[in-house]
Amino acid sequence: EDQVTQSPEALRLQEGESSSLNCSYTVSGLRGLFWYRQDPGKGPEFLFTLYSAGEEKEKERLKATLTKKESFLHITAPKPEDSATYLCAVRSTGANSKLTFGKGITLSVRP
Amino acid sequence: EAQVTQNPRYLITVTGKKLTVTCSQNMNHEYMSWYRQDPGLGLRQIYYSMNVEVTDKGDVPEGYKVSRKEKRNFPLILESPSPNQTSLYFCASSPPSDGNQPQHFGDGTRLSIL
Repeated sequence: EDQVTQSPEALRLQEGESSSLNCSYTVSGLRGLFWYRQDPGKGPEFLFTLYSAGEEKEKERLKATLTKKESFLHITAPKPEDSATYLCAVRSTGANSKLTFGKGITLSVRP
Repeated sequence: EAQVTQNPRYLITVTGKKLTVTCSQNMNHEYMSWYRQDPGLGLRQIYYSMNVEVTDKGDVPEGYKVSRKEKRNFPLILESPSPNQTSLYFCASSPPSDGNQPQHFGDGTRLSIL
């Protein structure tokens, strides 16, 4: 059974204070690892897909990396508008190809 | 604008009163799915559909029904709602599930069953 564990559950940062969010996963075969951002009252918004160990993707202050067991979402010099819940999900190489989500990390960035 | 639209956004109802949550997407996606999101449990898949007239159970299908008569629509039906179905529901869609395309989500439907 696919499993995704995200840590920490919540993170409070000062504006400009860089940090990383962790996503550990267990799958029989990884088809893709996805990062989403979710704002209160909204649906998850797609950020990145990573397919294989060693891959990295960047978007503004966010950078996602992938190893064989975990993924990191690095946030460089965050701003208050980066405050949100960040979700990690995996899709395995099964016939269903459903997404298995972690419970999310709630990030708060103080001005 | 490419989007997944859910209705209603909020609903308070009573135990046993049948309800339907509609989901429509305008991206011509084959794959559609319903999730529920509960505190401490994250997003869990209820049902999914690989294409028209093809549906299957996800991880938590008990108490729900779905249908896929048209490509763009994927309604979620609660025949006899109970309080443990109080939750935040999301519909999602994507191109064929054998690809690696991300799922696009609606803005959610908050259901309260009294």
